[in-house]
Amino acid sequence: GEDVEQSLFLSVREGDSSVINCTYTDSSSTYLYWYKQEPGAGLQLLTYIFSNMDMKQDQRLTVLLNKKDKHLSLRIADTQTGDSAIYFCAEGAMFSGGYNKLIFGAGTRLAVHP
Amino acid sequence: DTAVSQTPKYLVTQMGNDKSIKCEQNLGHDTMYWYKQDSKKFLKIMFSYNNKELIINETVPNRFSPKSPDKAHLNLHINSLELGDSAVYFCASSQDGPLRGEKLFFGSGTQLSVL
Repeated sequence: GEDVEQSLFLSVREGDSSVINCTYTDSSSTYLYWYKQEPGAGLQLLTYIFSNMDMKQDQRLTVLLNKKDKHLSLRIADTQTGDSAIYFCAEGAMFSGGYNKLIFGAGTRLAVHP
Repeated sequence: DTAVSQTPKYLVTQMGNDKSIKCEQNLGHDTMYWYKQDSKKFLKIMFSYNNKELIINETVPNRFSPKSPDKAHLNLHINSLELGDSAVYFCASSQDGPLRGEKLFFGSGTQLSVL
């Protein structure tokens, strides 16, 4: 079946690193994504990783992929108050007819405190 | 300039009414989507259109009818609104299309409240 799971809440101190974890089920997923949703706004693509990669770094963001365990994580270095948001993990799942669709997790609410 | 814009931002209506939400993208993308986000923030795809053709139709009640007059627009019409339809509805578009990795661009959402 299709299922993406993430922990619902994470609280960190400003300046610390945040690690948000996700597990997915579809081993055929080609791409895995992290989206950010700020209050009252739509989702914004943060980063994505191709399934044949183990790691991708983009400035303060590091994505780690363990394909064997179907585990994806997002690390935010030097977390700032502006990083407070909901972070969604998503996998690209194959749909009938050969099309892809995104399956989203329930989102992890990151709270950054002084 | 807003890339994916949807209107209205807020919609409050009575049970049983019919309402529409409009979406437009100026990114030149071929694929557009409607997603529903419930009160627990769980996000689920409802429909996907590629070049005005319906390609994904999840198990959505047929009271929901999407319409794509051209590839830059995807509207959502809802008949006989029910309390359970209350949610935030997001429109999105993508360049890469359904056969490859999809990087979605989202609108800011329409908060629908059915009383």
